[in-house]
Amino acid sequence: SQKIEQNSEALNIQEGKTATLTCNYTNYSPAYLQWYRQDPGRGPVFLLLIRENEKEKRKERLKVTFDTTLKQSLFHITASQPADSATYLCALVKAAGNKLTFGGGTRVLVKP
Amino acid sequence: EAGVAQSPRYKIIEKRQSVAFWCNPISGHATLYWYQQILGQGPKLLIQFQNNGVVDDSQLPKDRFSAERLKGVDSTLKIQPAKLEDSAVYLCASSHKGVTQETQYFGPGTRLLVL
Repeated sequence: SQKIEQNSEALNIQEGKTATLTCNYTNYSPAYLQWYRQDPGRGPVFLLLIRENEKEKRKERLKVTFDTTLKQSLFHITASQPADSATYLCALVKAAGNKLTFGGGTRVLVKP
Repeated sequence: EAGVAQSPRYKIIEKRQSVAFWCNPISGHATLYWYQQILGQGPKLLIQFQNNGVVDDSQLPKDRFSAERLKGVDSTLKIQPAKLEDSAVYLCASSHKGVTQETQYFGPGTRLLVL
């Protein structure tokens, strides 16, 4: 069966360091992958999209990589700040349509 | 631009009761989605509308859940009768046309507790 796995253990990191989150999937062939941020009591907010033929995407302090051979995406927050503390969700999308299949999310806590 | 609006924000009911949630998408967005997010998990798509037609309801428990979007704008999601395992946050999202790679915009969600 299809599986999307993110580290369920919270990631505690010191301010200024780089946070790296993983998203692994099995039995799935996504056309593209999205990363979302979710704060407590709020809905997810879109951050980045990366297509299957792209290796890397950047947006300000965020970087996403996508390796379809390893079936893995990495999400990096460089120079992390306490305001980056949130849960980060990856979502995979097949070629047709816009149906998102989410992973369980990883909670990030950036300590000053 | 106003975001996706949902109400109520919180609801507590007893099992076997019924409940309804309301969603108003971003103006002009043709596609509307309802997700269920159980604590500690990612959102799971329940139903997707394109205007007032259903595109995907493969994960909607149709014996107890129903949804409608009669005029292609607002939508309601109903649970009848509710079970304990329906306790979750119900998120509504919308996108402009529902085409591939389009961003979805989420509302704040309705937190449901079934006792």
